[in-house]
Amino acid sequence: GIQVEQSPPDLILQEGANSTLRCNFSDSVNNLQWFHQNPWGQLINLFYIPSGTKQNGRLSATTVATERYSLLYISSSQTTDSGVYFCAVERGTGNQFYFGTGTSLTVIP
Amino acid sequence: DVKVTQSSRYLVKRTGEKVFLECVQDMDHENMFWYRQDPGLGLRLIYFSYDVKMKEKGDIPEGYSVSREKKERFSLILESASTNQTSMYLCASSRRGQGTGSTDTQYFGPGTRLTVL
Repeated sequence: GIQVEQSPPDLILQEGANSTLRCNFSDSVNNLQWFHQNPWGQLINLFYIPSGTKQNGRLSATTVATERYSLLYISSSQTTDSGVYFCAVERGTGNQFYFGTGTSLTVIP
Repeated sequence: DVKVTQSSRYLVKRTGEKVFLECVQDMDHENMFWYRQDPGLGLRLIYFSYDVKMKEKGDIPEGYSVSREKKERFSLILESASTNQTSMYLCASSRRGQGTGSTDTQYFGPGTRLTVL
C-alpha cells in the first residue's frame, strides 16, 4: 500500500504559538483528509483537501499533490488544540484511506 | 450533523469468545469502514463496505469478519477473540465521492476500546 509519513511525531507548544505539521505520501492520491483526535479518542475531520488551500478559523491546510505532500497550519494555538493530528490519503481505485502515524500535539498554558 | 454511533465504549472479553461490535450511521452514507488503532501504528483498515451486503478486505482482515445487512449498520465480528486483538476499534462512514475521488469526507464514531484477557 501507499506510505504516509507525518512529521514531527511529537510537538510541544506554548499557548499562542504557531506550528506547521507535514504529511508526505509515496504515490499519487485522489483525496486527502486531515483529522484531529481529541484526548477522549474522538476523530474529527478538519479538512478534505485533495489539492489547493483551505482555511477554517485558525487552521489552514495546503496540499501540493504533484509533489506529494500536505501541510496543516495551526496559528495562535490553544490548549484545546492538543491531541493527535492524522493525515489520510486515498489512492485512485477503491474506497480505502491510508493513515499516517500522526503528530501528537501538546499545547501548554 | 452526521452521527456515527458504536455499541460500546469499553468492552472486556475472554480469549476464544465471539465478539460483535456494532456501528450505526444516520446520514444514509453508502460507505462504511472498520479500523483498529494501536500505539505507533496509526489507524489500519480492517474491512470496508460500499453498499448493503458488499464488503472488501482492508489491510488487516485476518481474524475478523463483517456484516452489512442494512445500509445504516455495519458490524465487525471477531470469531474467536485473541489477546492480540486488544485495541481501539473505530467505525467510520462516508458518502460515495463525486468526480475523481471515490470517497467523500469520512466521519468517525467515538470508538470501542476492546480488551481481550
